[in-house]
Amino acid sequence: DAGITQSPRHKVTETGTPVTLRCHQTENHRYMYWYRQDPGHGLRLIHYSYGVKDTDKGEVSDGYSVSRSKTEDFLLTLESATSSQTSVYFCAISESGHQETQYFGPGTRLLVL
Amino acid sequence: SQKIEQNSEALNIQEGKTATLTCNYTNYSPAYLQWYRQDPGRGPVFLLLIRENEKEKRKERLKVTFDTTLKQSLFHITASQPADSATYLCAPSGGSYIPTFGRGTSLIVHP
Repeated sequence: DAGITQSPRHKVTETGTPVTLRCHQTENHRYMYWYRQDPGHGLRLIHYSYGVKDTDKGEVSDGYSVSRSKTEDFLLTLESATSSQTSVYFCAISESGHQETQYFGPGTRLLVL
Repeated sequence: SQKIEQNSEALNIQEGKTATLTCNYTNYSPAYLQWYRQDPGRGPVFLLLIRENEKEKRKERLKVTFDTTLKQSLFHITASQPADSATYLCAPSGGSYIPTFGRGTSLIVHP
């Protein structure tokens, strides 16, 4: 999986609790992305980063925040999880821009009860 | 807004036949179009990228076409095998467009 890991791989949490998902890469790629994938919706971009401390919103950013303090780590935080955030979350990286090939991590399955 | 359409119904074909998957897009003009494969429980894996000035791209049994006039890409798998069974996603990209993926088409190759 091109040197991308996600943690945790599975998580069950309760509504209203904060949750942080971590994406770690060893490829030194500049761009990092967080997607969620749901039946009937496909992959939808939540947030992305184009460098350390440089982030921007994607299509479905409400209820999520991100941080990138090091090239290799991109964190996704659900400040107060809701049941609608139950999903599979994928991290992806690309070398230098949106037009580049994206390499995906193995995904995190999140269940919010 | 940008819209990407892929056949939502699964494509069932017999082993050895050619599978053809369609990706249509509207309301933007991407400079690139990428195809990915996704197996159940795993992240998408890149297969091919075609540029707007390329009409066709091949890699082993895979062929992709890109018609910027029709705003359509076709993805072909020749001599299909059961191992080709997966969901295939298209992703127009390029310029300032943020990455956007189609919902994918499920391909089932029967032995």
